[in-house]
Amino acid sequence: DVKVTQSSRYLVKRTGEKVFLECVQDMDHENMFWYRQDPGLGLRLIYFSYDVKMKEKGDIPEGYSVSREKKERFSLILESASTNQTSMYLCASSFLGGGLYEQYFGPGTRLTVT
Amino acid sequence: AQSVTQPDIHITVSEGASLELRCNYSYGATPYLFWYVQSPGQGLQLLLKYFSGDTLVQGIKGFEAEFKRSQSSFNLRKPSVHWSDAAEYFCAVGAGGKAAGNKLTFGGGTRVLVKP
Repeated sequence: DVKVTQSSRYLVKRTGEKVFLECVQDMDHENMFWYRQDPGLGLRLIYFSYDVKMKEKGDIPEGYSVSREKKERFSLILESASTNQTSMYLCASSFLGGGLYEQYFGPGTRLTVT
Repeated sequence: AQSVTQPDIHITVSEGASLELRCNYSYGATPYLFWYVQSPGQGLQLLLKYFSGDTLVQGIKGFEAEFKRSQSSFNLRKPSVHWSDAAEYFCAVGAGGKAAGNKLTFGGGTRVLVKP
């Protein structure tokens, strides 16, 4: 079974703190994704990566950065957390190919910024 | 740009009754379509997917979906709902190919409540 794990299920941080969210997948997937999930808005793509050290902006990259130093690990960084970044964050991974492979999701990290 | 609309935010259904969740998409080419389910406190799990071929697709947990190109729809159905089907359901459309990065665009989700 594909497994995508996220470092924390729940996280509480203060405004202005630097926050790291970590994601690890064990299926040798090339693609990795970070989404945020808010009620009524579905999932919105923050950043994705199709190879080590490669990254592409998604639909809402402002206020976030990412790091992919190893194929299995993809980190989301909030340089200076703000209250409007309180949300559920989901990591996903998939194969990269000529077709479209389904994405496999981690359990999510619920981040609260106070 | 691709987009997905799920017109129903909430649906309440009685256990044993049938369920249909609507999904409309906007995409310039042949779409790759997915339905995911998210149970409370969990990540998303793939229910089914459509790439090409037979427009009626069978998935896990007794779900099926029908692709209708003329209506730009990919509605999800289940003939008889179980209490464990209470969850949030997401429709997604994807752009295939390496250049597109295999990205997905998700709808806003439909929350299903099951009455005993």
